[in-house]
Amino acid sequence: GESVGLHLPTLSVQEGDNSIINCAYSNSASDYFIWYKQESGKGPQFIIDIRSNMDKRQGQRVTVLLNKTVKHLSLQIAATQPGDSAVYFCAETGGGSNYKLTFGKGTLLTVNP
Amino acid sequence: SAVISQKPSRDICQRGTSLTIQCQVDSQVTMMFWYRQQPGQSLTLIATANQGSEATYESGFVIDKFPISRPNLTFSTLTVSNMSPEDSSIYLCSVARQGASTDTQYFGPGTRLTVL
Repeated sequence: GESVGLHLPTLSVQEGDNSIINCAYSNSASDYFIWYKQESGKGPQFIIDIRSNMDKRQGQRVTVLLNKTVKHLSLQIAATQPGDSAVYFCAETGGGSNYKLTFGKGTLLTVNP
Repeated sequence: SAVISQKPSRDICQRGTSLTIQCQVDSQVTMMFWYRQQPGQSLTLIATANQGSEATYESGFVIDKFPISRPNLTFSTLTVSNMSPEDSSIYLCSVARQGASTDTQYFGPGTRLTVL
């Protein structure tokens, strides 16, 4: 069936470095993508989203890139901080009246001070 | 974003019993969902909670095992029935406001269930 997956299950970076978390999706009809951050013991927290009519969107210290040709999504975190340590999930939906999210496997980001 | 609370935050239950989890939102929302997150894994959608009608279940989930209520636009419950250790998971509710630019889902803090 359709799935959303991640290339790297774990990522360890030094404080101050930039982080890149990747995600592949297989549903060519996907038109809305979200990145969530989940800290230990908490629910997923919305970080940033992007629609399929865009290829880049920037937020505060975060950028999401979408390559529809190869069905690839990435989350870039600038100047990574210890507070960024968490599991990051990509999720996608077909949009429209279908709000059902399909989640990727998750990447554990560890920021070393 | 909406403020979402869940009760209980965690519980330890005996095999064969049932647990009802509550999800409360601080404002009216169109869509409410229930997810399961098994230990160390990603989130899987259980069902969409429909206000005033039966929930819509995903493949692999049935109403007899996971009955859901949604009496109004700010509240929903999920019951995990006849529990077994395999039901040990985090159960999360999420909400979305229907609309072209507001279909992002926001999640509650989760209910951590351990079944002995």
